[in-house]
Amino acid sequence: DVKVTQSSRYLVKRTGEKVFLECVQDMDHENMFWYRQDPGLGLRLIYFSYDVKMKEKGDIPEGYSVSREKKERFSLILESASTNQTSMYLCATFINYGYTFGSGTRLTVV
Amino acid sequence: DQQVKQNSPSLSVQEGRISILNCDYTNSMFDYFLWYKKYPAEGPTFLISISSIKDKNEDGRFTVFLNKSAKHLSLHIVPSQPGDSAVYFCAASVLGSQGNLIFGKGTKLSVKP
Repeated sequence: DVKVTQSSRYLVKRTGEKVFLECVQDMDHENMFWYRQDPGLGLRLIYFSYDVKMKEKGDIPEGYSVSREKKERFSLILESASTNQTSMYLCATFINYGYTFGSGTRLTVV
Repeated sequence: DQQVKQNSPSLSVQEGRISILNCDYTNSMFDYFLWYKKYPAEGPTFLISISSIKDKNEDGRFTVFLNKSAKHLSLHIVPSQPGDSAVYFCAASVLGSQGNLIFGKGTKLSVKP
C-alpha cells in the first residue's frame, strides 16, 4: 500500500513565522497535491505538482508556495503565517484513479 | 462555481437504518467518481468509486449509484453503524486529467445508537 507521511500532526506557530509542512510518499508517484480543509468549505486545492521541480497553482495559492526537489517529497511553505491560515492541511498522491492522503497537519497560527 | 455539490452539510440517521448521501455535478466531462470518508484529525480515506460506464457499484454495506442524465450520484450505507459517523466527501474527475479530483464540501453523517 502507498504510504503518504506528513511530518507533523499538530503545529502551533506565531503570526509572521515562516512555516514548512513536509510530505513524503514512498511509491515514486509523480502527482502530488496540497489541500486545506475548513468546516463548511470542504477540501480546497492549494498547489499541485506533476514532477520534480514542477508546480502548479490550485484554487487558493495566495500566501503559500511549494517546493519539489525530489520526487518523493512535496513541501508546502507559508512565507509569513497569518491567523487565517489556521487549518487542517492535507497532502495527497494520485494512484489508481484516486488519491491517497496523509494523516494531515493541524496548524494553528496565533 | 462549484462543479461538485453536496447540498446537505449534515445528516443524522439511526443505527441499523439506511444512510443516503447525495452529490450533484455540473461538468458533463466527469467520467469517474469517488467517495472519501474522513474522521476528525485524520486524512480522508478512499471508500468506493464508480466509472461513468456503470450505474451502480457495491462493496459490502456501501453502494454508489450514478445517474448520468441527472448528473447525480448517491452513496447508500446499509445498515448504518455508529462507526460510520464521519464527514463524507464526493469527488469527480476526468480520467486522464493527471489526477485532479474536484471535491464537494462534504456531508457530516451522524449515526446514533
